[in-house]
Amino acid sequence: ILNVEQSPQSLHVQEGDSTNFTCSFPSSNFYALHWYRWETAKSPEALFVMTLNGDEKKKGRISATLNTKEGYSYLYIKGSQPEDSATYLCAFKKSGTSYGKLTFGQGTILTVHP
Amino acid sequence: NAGVTQTPKFQVLKTGQSMTLQCAQDMNHNSMYWYRQDPGMGLRLIYYSASEGTTDKGEVPNGYNVSRLNKREFSLRLESAAPSQTSVYFCASSPSASIEQFFGPGTRLTVL
Repeated sequence: ILNVEQSPQSLHVQEGDSTNFTCSFPSSNFYALHWYRWETAKSPEALFVMTLNGDEKKKGRISATLNTKEGYSYLYIKGSQPEDSATYLCAFKKSGTSYGKLTFGQGTILTVHP
Repeated sequence: NAGVTQTPKFQVLKTGQSMTLQCAQDMNHNSMYWYRQDPGMGLRLIYYSASEGTTDKGEVPNGYNVSRLNKREFSLRLESAAPSQTSVYFCASSPSASIEQFFGPGTRLTVL
């Protein structure tokens, strides 16, 4: 069983705060790391797919970094807004595993208070 | 483009009943997936289909069967529902294995 851990489990911040959370995954046999954003009553939407050690991706105020050697990825949100409130999921794909198999973390629930 | 659609949105079954959850995508994606989401457990892969005509077990396949009817459709069948299968079921698709997955709206299933 692959261990994909996200921390913290939940986070409350004030509007305008910057925040970050972590996804830890096995450092061996890395293939890809996905980040998804999941708003309540909606379906998960992809934010980033990261494949190279040292990768940095950015979409608006959200960015992510990847360290495959030590097995972690950070997701950063700059100047949080109430509409950023969601569950943020990471998912790990191991090399050599069957096609398309992702192992998801439990998610970090972010609440941004106005 | 409707993206990934799932039917039904909600379903209540009695223990032992059977049902099929339907999923369709109109993005011409090769790969399709079925997940279940339980509190505190994250999304867990039940079955997936890398391409039309192929299906493979995921992390939690017991009690389920799937059919990849054509490139667009991937159904999940519960032959004899059990209370442990109470969950929210998500279907997803992707152009290929290394690309992001696109999720449907989910089916909330309760087994009494």
